[in-house]
Amino acid sequence: QQQVKQSPQSLIVQKGGISIINCAYENTAFDYFPWYQQFPGKGPALLIAIRPDVSEKKEGRFTISFNKSAKQFSLHIMDSQPGDSATYFCAASSGKAAGNKLTFGGGTRVLVKP
Amino acid sequence: EAQVTQNPRYLITVTGKKLTVTCSQNMNHEYMSWYRQDPGLGLRQIYYSMNVEVTDKGDVPEGYKVSRKEKRNFPLILESPSPNQTSLYFCASSLDLYTGEQFFGPGTRLTVL
Repeated sequence: QQQVKQSPQSLIVQKGGISIINCAYENTAFDYFPWYQQFPGKGPALLIAIRPDVSEKKEGRFTISFNKSAKQFSLHIMDSQPGDSATYFCAASSGKAAGNKLTFGGGTRVLVKP
Repeated sequence: EAQVTQNPRYLITVTGKKLTVTCSQNMNHEYMSWYRQDPGLGLRQIYYSMNVEVTDKGDVPEGYKVSRKEKRNFPLILESPSPNQTSLYFCASSLDLYTGEQFFGPGTRLTVL
């Protein structure tokens, strides 16, 4: 049973549109919530991350929204570009207490059409 | 260039034939980890190491072994591979347990026939 549930599994968006990916978690000990971006044939790379003391974090066109009471967080990609086409993974960690293990969601394949 | 390297990148083998996937990082990171990636399941941790000679099980350790004799290297050993270990494997490293970011290698695609 996955501790981090991610939706949707895939997403098609037009260039310039907004991509939204949602994640929900169960473990209240999680205190670090990163998003990883993975291109075909490559390993995942950190895109943006948030800790539960803030409700939103923005880096360029990428924004994480975090709702601690609902145990949900989401990634918004504004002004989506063809170069954003990739698989996105949300993840959660409880840091040292769990050996820094990242618990991943199932992934969302995003395709941005020109 | 700071990086995590894995070898081989692709491997096809047969059931029961022992194999080792190597992982090396040049960033002097203390923490290293192995994950497997399967469709719809994301990445799941196999084993991790907090420092030299310190290793522990992750979520899916059955059928795998690891060792950490040097800080930079963290090989993954499959003593008797089975078809259900066919997967995409990633090694990752992190500066320490307080730094959230993990750096991933390029992956090793393993097929066990």
